[in-house]
Amino acid sequence: DAKTTQPPSMDCAEGRAANLPCNHSTISGNEYVYWYRQIHSQGPQYIIHGLKNNETNEMASLIITEDRKSSTLILPHATLRDTAVYYCIVRVTGGYNKLIFGAGTRLAVHP
Amino acid sequence: GAGVSQSPSNKVTEKGKDVELRCDPISGHTALYWYRQRLGQGLEFLIYFQGNSAPDKSGLPSDRFSAERTGESVSTLTIQRTQQEDSAVYLCASSQSGGGPGANVLTFGAGSRLTVL
Repeated sequence: DAKTTQPPSMDCAEGRAANLPCNHSTISGNEYVYWYRQIHSQGPQYIIHGLKNNETNEMASLIITEDRKSSTLILPHATLRDTAVYYCIVRVTGGYNKLIFGAGTRLAVHP
Repeated sequence: GAGVSQSPSNKVTEKGKDVELRCDPISGHTALYWYRQRLGQGLEFLIYFQGNSAPDKSGLPSDRFSAERTGESVSTLTIQRTQQEDSAVYLCASSQSGGGPGANVLTFGAGSRLTVL
């Protein structure tokens, strides 16, 4: 799986958009970008995934650059409850391989 | 069930005792993962089951750790002769199989918090 690079921490004001970057410059054509988050004292939670088109769901939007070497997870109106560690993972689909979590980005949403 | 269920939610044990942690995955999910998370640390992969394939045990930290899975349902993680460094939250997750991107959409349980005194 391609390596991902994320900033260790970010801050965001409540009500503002939180834009979390992820670099995956070695991504291959059949690898998807997945985002998870882990709120304190809870198990990780799947957020969104995409291949090359931008994706949006009820939780967030995922913007993938045209060359697919980086992506941004956007929380359009961050709330205090969005304070969590956010993980960007690049993976092929199917097959037989484990899912490994890196260090992620610790997002702090403040009033 | 509707989600991934883990039991017990909390376990306090004495050093040297054996413990068993249970995971009930989502019905129909053929892939099952165990992770460990020590206080303030990241997620540490332990073991992965996928259908009838041999499990990927590459993350088990020592031979004191083992896991079994009955068919495509319940899994049990066993830690023998527990040590204080085994204290952590043990998280189980399951996902669908197949060649689609859904295979990488994991649903996690709430975890089992193990404290070894």
